Amino acid sequence: GAVVSQHPSRVICKSGTSVKIECRSLDFQATTMFWYRQFPKQSLMLMATSNEGSKATYEQGVEKDKFLINHASLTLSTLTVTSAHPEDSSFYICSANDQAATGELFFGEGSRLTVL
Amino acid sequence: DAKTTQPPSMDCAEGRAANLPCNHSTISGNEYVYWYRQIHSQGPQYIIHGLKNNETNEMASLIITEDRKSSTLILPHATLRDTAVYYCIVRGGGGFKTIFGAGTRLFVKA
Repeated sequence: GAVVSQHPSRVICKSGTSVKIECRSLDFQATTMFWYRQFPKQSLMLMATSNEGSKATYEQGVEKDKFLINHASLTLSTLTVTSAHPEDSSFYICSANDQAATGELFFGEGSRLTVL
Repeated sequence: DAKTTQPPSMDCAEGRAANLPCNHSTISGNEYVYWYRQIHSQGPQYIIHGLKNNETNEMASLIITEDRKSSTLILPHATLRDTAVYYCIVRGGGGFKTIFGAGTRLFVKA
């Protein structure tokens, strides 16, 4: 099946720095990708919808200046956590639609961010 | 908000069938029922989806009621590796965003 890859899988950074997480669709083109965050023992919370060639659409309560999303190509979306703080520590997961096939939504492996 | 409700947890004996229910009473005519599962610290894994007919693949079977207001995911012979959180999701085809509910935590016991 289609594969979505995230990088890095784990990242530790100091408070105040910025961290970029990449999400790639490896064998299909994705005009739309989604970014989620997940806290321990909780469900996935949708943060934003990433649209190729246009601005991302953020869910209510998600700071767009804090979580910068860029979807510059049909196979790559990036999430940048700016000026990270310990409360931003979380599991970030991306997903992408294989619209050319069955419309299934495939998920990346997730990226665990720890802010010290 | 999620459009589905699921029991928070279930137990199943290894080798037996695991039947996971899901209610989606407000489902629209063009929305599909999707099932995913998430093993600890991994991204969700696609299992199966359907519109109104029952579906089966190598992983599971999906039974959707005639009124489409509920469905059941069946793992025919559960193994210890099937222990995970199972999410039932309702979504339209294509680029519609997907909202997750709390899911069902399935424990498969030896």
